[in-house]
Amino acid sequence: LAKTTQPISMDSYEGQEVNITCSHNNIATNDYITWYQQFPSQGPRFIIQGYKTKVTNEVASLFIPADRKSSTLSLPRVSLSDTAVYYCLVGGYTGGFKTIFGAGTRLFVKA
Amino acid sequence: EAGVAQSPRYKIIEKRQSVAFWCNPISGHATLYWYQQILGQGPKLLIQFQNNGVVDDSQLPKDRFSAERLKGVDSTLKIQPAKLEDSAVYLCASSLGKRPIDRGHNEQFFGPGTRLTVL
Repeated sequence: LAKTTQPISMDSYEGQEVNITCSHNNIATNDYITWYQQFPSQGPRFIIQGYKTKVTNEVASLFIPADRKSSTLSLPRVSLSDTAVYYCLVGGYTGGFKTIFGAGTRLFVKA
Repeated sequence: EAGVAQSPRYKIIEKRQSVAFWCNPISGHATLYWYQQILGQGPKLLIQFQNNGVVDDSQLPKDRFSAERLKGVDSTLKIQPAKLEDSAVYLCASSLGKRPIDRGHNEQFFGPGTRLTVL
């Protein structure tokens, strides 16, 4: 499984766009990139998943360059409630979808 | 739709005692995961089941940890004997776990977790 590297922490202000980049140099051909969000005392929650180019849903966008060695999670106009830990995962299907959580990025949104 | 259920929510034991956690995944989900999350760290996969078969247990300390998923539904995780370093939150997650690969089939849904304190 490909290892991922993300910044340990980031600060932002309400209303700003936040971009969190994840490096995954050893991503395999059949690997997908998935981002989860975790609030204190809760289990992680799925945000978005992609394979290549750009994916957008109601809460975030995911940008993946052509070489797929990195990806960027974009959160538009963050609010205080977006303060959480964000995990980038890379994994593929081998008898069950396998993924590894890293240390994550702690995002602090200030008023 | 009911989410992933776990019990107990909290457990305090002394070292060398044994403890068991229970997980009931979302109905119809073939894949079940047990994670250990130590404070300040990301979740660490302990074991992954596909139906009632083990897909990955490479990080499960098999000398003290065991897990089973009878009939491919509920699962239990046991620690015997517990050590101080086992203090953590134990998270259970489930996913549809079937091909093709898209969000609907591999998105993991997590339960609230069990917070274990070993004294």
